[in-house]
Order: sequence, then structure tokens, then C-alpha cells
Amino acid sequence: QVQLVQSGAAVKKPGSSVKVSCKTSGGSFNSDSLNWVRQAPNQGLEWMGGIIPILGKANYAQNFQGRVTISADDSTATAYLELSSLRSEDTAMYFCARSVRLSHYFDSWGQGTHVTVSS
Amino acid sequence: DIQLTQSPPSLSASVGDRVTITCRASQSISRFLSWYQQKPGKAPKLLIYDASSLQSGVPSRFSGGGSGSDFTLSISGLQPDDFATYYCQHTYSIPLAFGGGTKLDIK
Repeated sequence: QVQLVQSGAAVKKPGSSVKVSCKTSGGSFNSDSLNWVRQAPNQGLEWMGGIIPILGKANYAQNFQGRVTISADDSTATAYLELSSLRSEDTAMYFCARSVRLSHYFDSWGQGTHVTVSS
Repeated sequence: DIQLTQSPPSLSASVGDRVTITCRASQSISRFLSWYQQKPGKAPKLLIYDASSLQSGVPSRFSGGGSGSDFTLSISGLQPDDFATYYCQHTYSIPLAFGGGTKLDIK
């Protein structure tokens, strides 16, 4: 059974960066696609981007281009989301989600990491 | 980029009812559409993929249909556990995207 365990909640100042981790187990880390989905308070789901570790290249949603970096460490089966130049509108729950290879549908999810951006 | 429009945004129904939620894509996406259920404070849960394939462990009262640009999620015999928010997602191409959601609550 695939499990995704995310790092804990974070409080950040505007203009700073945050890095969220997602440790996986039970899947095929290198060939799975690991994605990040954001949900602002009382809002819908927004795909931020994803990576297939064996390919090493991440894809990003246009809304986050230039501010987001998704990476993966196959030695620890962990994916990372780094978001920079934080603003108050980035206050949200951030989920990692797995899809098998390029299926693009997410059959396993992390528990979510809440990021608060506040001065 | 492909946009998804869900309707209705909210829906009230009773236990035992049958409900249908629709999702329209801004262009043809063949059958590359998934459906998720989300409860407050929880991660989404995959219900349906490839328009009509039921994810393992999901009750058979959930069904998906459609192709091209118009899709449906139907729930027959609503159970108390089904009151939640439902999202469609296209898996046709990058960038991926979700619909705006449909909140299903108890009448």
C-alpha cells in the first residue's frame, strides 16, 4: 500500500520561501509521478506541478512558473515542493499526490501541509 | 490550457436519492477524466478514472460516464457518508486541472 507522509505545518513571512517534503513508501518511487496540489481556504483544488523522478524533469502550472521548484531524492523516496517570494495569497493547504507513471490521476495522497504566510 | 466547468456548484439531496454532477471540458479530452471526493480537512479520494473506471474499494453506487467534452458522476442510493465535495480533473495533457467543485449536502 502506497503511503505519502508530508512535513508539518509552516508559518512564513511574506517574501520568504517554504520547502515542503513528501516521503513515500510502498510504491515505485522512480517511475511514479509525484505532484503537488494546492487548496486555499474554502477554495477548490489547484494543480501546481509534478515530477517523475526517473526522468528528473518537473512540469509546472503557468500560475507558479518562476516561483516553484519540485524535486525528488530517490535515496530517501522523498519529493519536495519549494515555493518562493511568498505572499498572503499562498496561505493554503498543500497536498502531494501520486499517479502511476503518466496516468495523471492521483490514487494516493499525503495528509496535507498547511502553510500560513503572515507578517 | 484545458478548463473544466462543473455544475451545479452545490446540490442538496436526501439519503437514498440519486444525484448527477456534470463536468464540461473546454475542448475534447477523450475519456481522460477523473472524479474525486473530498471531506472537510481531508485529502481528496479518487473515485473514478478514465471517465468510467471505478477505483478499487469504491462502492458501486458511484458511476462515471461521458466522453469528449461532457462527463457525469452519478451516485445512486445516497448514503450519509457521501455528503462531501466532488471534483473532476482532466488527465489529458499537462497542465492538469480540476473543476471548481460541487458541494453535496443533506436536504
